[in-house]
Amino acid sequence: ETGVTQSPTHLIKTRGQQVTLRCSSQSGHNTVSWYQQALGQGPQFIFQYYREEENGRGNFPPRFSGLQFPNYSSELNVNALELDDSALYLCASSSKASGLGEQYFGPGTRLTVT
Amino acid sequence: DAKTTQPNSMESNEEEPVHLPCNHSTISGTDYIHWYRQLPSQGPEYVIHGLTSNVNNRMASLAIAEDRKSSTLILHRATLRDAAVYYCILRDNNQGGKLIFGQGTELSVKP
Repeated sequence: ETGVTQSPTHLIKTRGQQVTLRCSSQSGHNTVSWYQQALGQGPQFIFQYYREEENGRGNFPPRFSGLQFPNYSSELNVNALELDDSALYLCASSSKASGLGEQYFGPGTRLTVT
Repeated sequence: DAKTTQPNSMESNEEEPVHLPCNHSTISGTDYIHWYRQLPSQGPEYVIHGLTSNVNNRMASLAIAEDRKSSTLILHRATLRDAAVYYCILRDNNQGGKLIFGQGTELSVKP
């Protein structure tokens, strides 16, 4: 069974640019959630996708957007990057059918905005 | 969103038990108590969760106060690999998949 994978591992972008981060969910999981973790802080919920539809969103501006594909993999897109977007971006997969079951996190993508 | 309060850091000796406290005085009747931990340079991993009764699994035990306003994660014999940030999270079934992380407790384990 393959766990949650994310790409790339690290990324450096310039303020104002756009970035796409990718996540492959664990086999059998149909739900993907994205989190932003600033240095020294706990992860903050960005949004969740279930069966290719956004299913809940945290307090993030519209320039944070996402997609989920038929194979349940997902992308996080951030437009007009700001310095404060520098963070570790985590995705987590789960099975909707498991209700409050555990979420499985990937290792994250470290984004640096200069 | 209900909030939790945890100590910023704790220390333990290897092979000794560790009790990690969490206060959640505003917990609602439908909130489950979840614990996740984050090892250095990794994503968080699930540890345990419960509603009212104490819970045990291969990783840890969760002791929940009778009034549910506090809980304690118990690692029975700490190992060096248990050094991590431990997050206590309240999760409402109506919130779907959202996990609301606080600052967590950074646990260090001394050999």
